[in-house]
Amino acid sequence: KAGVTQTPRYLIKTRGQQVTLSCSPISGHRSVSWYQQTPGQGLQFLFEYFSETQRNKGNFPGRFSGRQFSNSRSEMNVSTLELGDSALYLCASSWEGYTRTYEQYFGPGTRLTVT
Amino acid sequence: AQTVTQSQPEMSVQEAETVTLSCTYDTSENNYYLFWYKQPPSRQMILVIRQEAYKQQNATENRFSVNFQKAAKSFSLKISDSQLGDTAMYFCAFNAYSGAGSYQLTFGKGTKLSVIP
Repeated sequence: KAGVTQTPRYLIKTRGQQVTLSCSPISGHRSVSWYQQTPGQGLQFLFEYFSETQRNKGNFPGRFSGRQFSNSRSEMNVSTLELGDSALYLCASSWEGYTRTYEQYFGPGTRLTVT
Repeated sequence: AQTVTQSQPEMSVQEAETVTLSCTYDTSENNYYLFWYKQPPSRQMILVIRQEAYKQQNATENRFSVNFQKAAKSFSLKISDSQLGDTAMYFCAFNAYSGAGSYQLTFGKGTKLSVIP
């Protein structure tokens, strides 16, 4: 099975712009979570989508949004970029079934640099 | 709110030796899951080992094992016969129910492990 894929891998944007990141989960996984990783704050949960619905949300401003499509692929969007949004954005997917195991499998991340 | 603490920002170990990484957590939940993830310099986060809180037996995966002390809220990772490929950031993570069918991972700050030849 192919792993979690994220595109693009690297992105450079300027303040005020918006950006969209994409994540394709492992085949069969319907839950997709997004995390922001910075040296100062570590790994912080952004939100989780399941069956096209946002099921959980972390403590981030409304500039951060996401969505999930019927094929479980997910996108996250950051509007009005700030310098502090520079980070590695990680996507993770998990499988939910009768024998749910709760593990999350991560993609390689998208490195966003805001100048 | 759940918190996860990794008190060792950096550690080093000689190749073939054994090293233990510490992790403590705080929660009022009774049913939860604990994980150790590894993030090598290439940045791909990899699941190393998992432990269900309701299981008393400590999990083991090849050279990796945990010491789970539920009452003390402690979850340490032991790496035996350390290899150069074990060099990475190690994150302890706590997964608990957060409502609406969702389980949320809370991570510690990580321990940077260097394996020395």
